[in-house]
Amino acid sequence: DQQVKQNSPSLSVQEGRISILNCDYTNSMFDYFLWYKKYPAEGPTFLISISSIKDKNEDGRFTVFLNKSAKHLSLHIVPSQPGDSAVYFCAASEGSQGNLIFGKGTKLSVKP
Amino acid sequence: DAGITQSPRHKVTETGTPVTLRCHQTENHRYMYWYRQDPGHGLRLIHYSYGVKDTDKGEVSDGYSVSRSKTEDFLLTLESATSSQTSVYFCAISEPWGRGLNTEAFFGQGTRLTVV
Repeated sequence: DQQVKQNSPSLSVQEGRISILNCDYTNSMFDYFLWYKKYPAEGPTFLISISSIKDKNEDGRFTVFLNKSAKHLSLHIVPSQPGDSAVYFCAASEGSQGNLIFGKGTKLSVKP
Repeated sequence: DAGITQSPRHKVTETGTPVTLRCHQTENHRYMYWYRQDPGHGLRLIHYSYGVKDTDKGEVSDGYSVSRSKTEDFLLTLESATSSQTSVYFCAISEPWGRGLNTEAFFGQGTRLTVV
């Protein structure tokens, strides 16, 4: 069973508007969450993270929200830019455990 | 960019042959990971290491083995390659996760492996 789920395979947004990417998890022991962005033929690159002791973390245009009771997190990109078009992965880890579990990804397309 | 080098970057091999992929880091990070990326499956963890000679299985470890004899090198071996192992393989490194610790995993550029 998937422990980290991204239920939307794709999302299309107009330039300048908000992009909201969602992620759900099943393991209540996860306590650190990350978002990665991936372009074709490149390795994933880190965007933003959040610890379970917080419910929000911001970095420029990117904000991650965590709802522990719902086991849900979301990534908000405001304003969206064409260069944001990529596949976005949500990932989670459990305490000091080494394994980092990823979702299947959401392909974001930002149209000019 | 984090110092992670994967080799080779591309490889075509025949079914049944052994294949070893290498991940080399210059960051002295404790954790190292091997993932595979396939359409419709995202990134799936194969094996990871939390120190020299300390490794553990991920979610898709069947058919793969790993070794870490030095901090900087993490090898992934396909003992007898099969067509289902055709994939893009990514190595990643990180420091230990921890509550409130702002850390991340850095990824290599990937190795595209084709088993024919």
